[in-house]
Amino acid sequence: EDQVTQSPEALRLQEGESSSLNCSYTVSGLRGLFWYRQDPGKGPEFLFTLYSAGEEKEKERLKATLTKKESFLHITAPKPEDSATYLCAGSGGTSYGKLTFGQGTILTVHP
Amino acid sequence: DVKVTQSSRYLVKRTGEKVFLECVQDMDHENMFWYRQDPGLGLRLIYFSYDVKMKEKGDIPEGYSVSREKKERFSLILESASTNQTSMYLCASSFGTRGETQYFGPGTRLLVL
Repeated sequence: EDQVTQSPEALRLQEGESSSLNCSYTVSGLRGLFWYRQDPGKGPEFLFTLYSAGEEKEKERLKATLTKKESFLHITAPKPEDSATYLCAGSGGTSYGKLTFGQGTILTVHP
Repeated sequence: DVKVTQSSRYLVKRTGEKVFLECVQDMDHENMFWYRQDPGLGLRLIYFSYDVKMKEKGDIPEGYSVSREKKERFSLILESASTNQTSMYLCASSFGTRGETQYFGPGTRLLVL
């Protein structure tokens, strides 16, 4: 059974304090590893897709990386507006792109 | 720009009522998905559809049914709403069959009294 585990469950940072969120996965025949941002009461917003180990993608203060067992979301010099829940999901060898989601990391950035 | 819309942001229904949640996407995506999201349980797949009139059960289909008569529209039906179906319902769509990105709608927060 495919599994995605995120850590930590919650992370509190001071503005400007860089850190990383972890996503460990056991997904058979991984086809894609996805990161989403979700604000309270809203739907997840797509951030990145990573397809193979060694791949990296960046967007503003965020950088996602992928190994054969884990993905990291690095946040450089975060701002309060980066506060949100960050979700990781894997798509495996099953058809039609079904995703297995992690529980999410709640990030709070204090000014 | 990618667009997935859901018919209601908030909905309050009584136990036993039949409830329809509608999702529309304008990206000509083949695949559409319905999830529910609950604190501590994460996102759980209810049903998905990979083509018009085609549907597959997800992880928690009990108490739900779906309809996809047109490619752009995917409906989730609660035949007889119960209080344990109070939740945030999220619709998503994606293109193709090789793990392409799913794009989500804004969600419907359903309260069953």
